[in-house]
Amino acid sequence: DTAVSQTPKYLVTQMGNDKSIKCEQNLGHDTMYWYKQDSKKFLKIMFSYNNKELIINETVPNRFSPKSPDKAHLNLHINSLELGDSAVYFCASSRLVGGSSRTGELFFGEGSRLTVL
Amino acid sequence: QQPVQSPQAVILREGEDAVINCSSSKALYSVHWYRQKHGEAPVFLMILLKGGEQKGHDKISASFNEKKQQSSLYLTASQLSYSGTYFCGTEMAPSSGSARQLTFGSGTQLTVLP
Repeated sequence: DTAVSQTPKYLVTQMGNDKSIKCEQNLGHDTMYWYKQDSKKFLKIMFSYNNKELIINETVPNRFSPKSPDKAHLNLHINSLELGDSAVYFCASSRLVGGSSRTGELFFGEGSRLTVL
Repeated sequence: QQPVQSPQAVILREGEDAVINCSSSKALYSVHWYRQKHGEAPVFLMILLKGGEQKGHDKISASFNEKKQQSSLYLTASQLSYSGTYFCGTEMAPSSGSARQLTFGSGTQLTVLP
């Protein structure tokens, strides 16, 4: 049983289109994330989200929007896709380290490779 | 605030040692280390929570100097399976407004040759 699963694994689309990537975790974690990994392997945090709070990295264009139907799901919707959006998008989840307010181990999904033509 | 990792790349022979450094200009709440193999997702290695803390994982260990806002990852007697890109991830204190966000360094590509 996959802990964090993302679909689709590969996505090829034209500039200007809108697309979504879905993420589900079955670990009972309280926080989920989206990271973007570009061709230089830089892992950039886009969003972190728990039941109470959405934290958006200020550099993320508002064409990107996270949508969470429930605690176990965090989907990523992208409007008006641009060439620069081509990357691997990783979903991750975590819980707090026991007895502290610190973020525990991140469990990553397999990644969704988005190619914008 | 992205942590700074060094070196960017390192090539080793099996059995050699390596050190990867991670530093921040801001006070750190915790430091994580992950390894990512080509075409795969990052995988957790360890987390350090307190200043001066050291943790070990097989022949991979790490230290955290809270005062200097630095962490180092030590790989001893490297094996072929250690090859991959190593990332440190840092979390700042809740008072900074950046809580629950793990920000990763640019990565260190480690290649272990036979």
